[in-house]
Amino acid sequence: EADIYQTPRYLVIGTGKKITLECSQTMGHDKMYWYQQDPGMELHLIHYSYGVNSTEKGDLSSESTVSRIRTEHFPLTLESARPSHTSQYLCASSDSLALRDRGRENTGELFFGEGSRLTVL
Amino acid sequence: AQKVTQAQTEISVVEKEDVTLDCVYETRDTTYYLFWYKQPPSGELVFLIRRNSFDEQNEISGRYSWNFQKSTSSFNFTITASQVVDSAVYFCALNTGGFKTIFGAGTRLFVKA
Repeated sequence: EADIYQTPRYLVIGTGKKITLECSQTMGHDKMYWYQQDPGMELHLIHYSYGVNSTEKGDLSSESTVSRIRTEHFPLTLESARPSHTSQYLCASSDSLALRDRGRENTGELFFGEGSRLTVL
Repeated sequence: AQKVTQAQTEISVVEKEDVTLDCVYETRDTTYYLFWYKQPPSGELVFLIRRNSFDEQNEISGRYSWNFQKSTSSFNFTITASQVVDSAVYFCALNTGGFKTIFGAGTRLFVKA
């Protein structure tokens, strides 16, 4: 059973406000991710982290920022929310798998939180 | 280039019908993993299966079965005797060894009673 938690589940906020979406996992996974899911269902990677003090931007440009000070915690922050930020944000974590050839480290299956649905008015 | 295509945007079936969700992937890597995830109306994605590129054996788990064919770069998912609780969005995904898992656009399945 996956143990990854996101808060808040739902947030309605006015333009210009600062918001932080929390994500915590208790599985000790080194890799964590933030995905943005638009109404058309597609998932877009916006941030990921290899481990503590490591963060990288994903494919979809995002005005949000992330931090990874502790292994279990990967919060996402929007300094000034806008209506264009209205979306579902999904946090995930994964362990590593060693591939059979070259012993290269890979990413195992992703464990997702329940998501944070953000509406900016 | 790496890509996952789920050509079926929405499928609607009546309970007890069998349904197959198609997934076609593209990659130049010889080593990779394929996944299926389910996203019920509650919102969280749930992992269903992982298959590595070295193992083309089909897999069955209860009413679920997966058909992996490297020759056609396909990893199709069949639900036998569908139930209303199977209604969800299903995602096929590909990982080639990096930190990036590439998702298809998803197929929304409606199972009517």
